[in-house]
Amino acid sequence: DTAVSQTPKYLVTQMGNDKSIKCEQNLGHDTMYWYKQDSKKFLKIMFSYNNKELIINETVPNRFSPKSPDKAHLNLHINSLELGDSAVYFCASSPPGVYEQYFGPGTRLTVT
Amino acid sequence: GNSVTQMEGPVTLSEEAFLTINCTYTATGYPSLFWYVQYPGEGLQLLLKATKADDKGSNKGFEATYRKETTSFHLEKGSVQVSDSAVYFCALRGIQGAQKLVFGQGTRLTINP
Repeated sequence: DTAVSQTPKYLVTQMGNDKSIKCEQNLGHDTMYWYKQDSKKFLKIMFSYNNKELIINETVPNRFSPKSPDKAHLNLHINSLELGDSAVYFCASSPPGVYEQYFGPGTRLTVT
Repeated sequence: GNSVTQMEGPVTLSEEAFLTINCTYTATGYPSLFWYVQYPGEGLQLLLKATKADDKGSNKGFEATYRKETTSFHLEKGSVQVSDSAVYFCALRGIQGAQKLVFGQGTRLTINP
């Protein structure tokens, strides 16, 4: 019955590799988000999609590319991983007209 | 742009103590305000919210009042428990533009028995 799920939960990889994180929500929400939480717990939005359309694209390196195959899924692909990409990445979703967002459990990415 | 400032942590209290975590914001107009909680190893959960001035959000014994005059949304609880140990985030959603949340830096709370 998980509302917002992410895979994998942990991801350890070497610099220069390409990796993807998947997110799925079974809440029927129209809007999905990716946030990055750094080692100091600071949370910042990266992207948002509404019905598969990109609506928020913050200042994020081009190496990060979101993909939304349908409105229940928002995946994050990262090319040429760098040490500074190490963080916890959270997916979230929200229904139209409602202000709160529902978060997934997070994916801890460690780049060595 | 919009921003949120929270009191610096970590905060350590004894069980049954009174809790206040300060939060102030900068935004145009009347944003919606939220407190989220992150328990160890978990994602963020909405704790409470307020969408207009003078609204009071409450949940699980926590309260916060939307104060437009002081641009604040301080979190309070009268008697904390060990299970309240977590990181607390204040956040706002602006009235313009897309639906992104802007978060404060988080306050780590530890309650000792």
